[in-house]
Amino acid sequence: DSGVTQTPKHLITATGQRVTLRCSPRSGDLSVYWYQQSLDQGLQFLIQYYNGEERAKGNILERFSAQQFPDLHSELNLSSLELGDSALYFCASSVARASGGRGDGELFFGEGSRLTVL
Amino acid sequence: QQQVKQSPQSLIVQKGGISIINCAYENTAFDYFPWYQQFPGKGPALLIAIRPDVSEKKEGRFTISFNKSAKQFSLHIMDSQPGDSATYFCAASTQGGSEKLVFGKGTKLTVNP
Repeated sequence: DSGVTQTPKHLITATGQRVTLRCSPRSGDLSVYWYQQSLDQGLQFLIQYYNGEERAKGNILERFSAQQFPDLHSELNLSSLELGDSALYFCASSVARASGGRGDGELFFGEGSRLTVL
Repeated sequence: QQQVKQSPQSLIVQKGGISIINCAYENTAFDYFPWYQQFPGKGPALLIAIRPDVSEKKEGRFTISFNKSAKQFSLHIMDSQPGDSATYFCAASTQGGSEKLVFGKGTKLTVNP
């Protein structure tokens, strides 16, 4: 058990809909990352938050957004869903260095939320 | 554009054999190279990591070999066991740690008893 909790584990929805995925990081970890895993693209970094602030952005679509709340849990919002958005969405947390430092610690991944868009 | 190329896509070895997975990269600014292991239904978990100031790192049966000039690094699993059957991902970042990790596409390893 990594200590990172993701809900829901499975989600089936229709094209055009909007869903919210939730992540609770390990106790004490200030940094949360979101990754998308699909068969053809592998693991793709979407976005990172550190202590409530966006810290880094990857290949995140404009239809997707995320936030990290004061209690450090994070939510990934996916809207106007398309068939191609079907994937496993992972949240990870780490003991991040403070701004200006280097080298966040290892990533601890949750078990993922499997999204199926029909 | 895939920044980290991983091969092979799948690998089958016999128990007790050596498993070798290779990764190549182009970005010379990469300075952190971890390997993650993922079992079915689980998230990836860090297995071992290396920084470019060393050419090899060993932890138990797992060894990373790093060739900076060739821009390649590999994972060697000695005395492979059925419990090692999983998908392995190499990754790289320019931040010295886990920020904006770029992952390879993964290698599915099967170790036959």
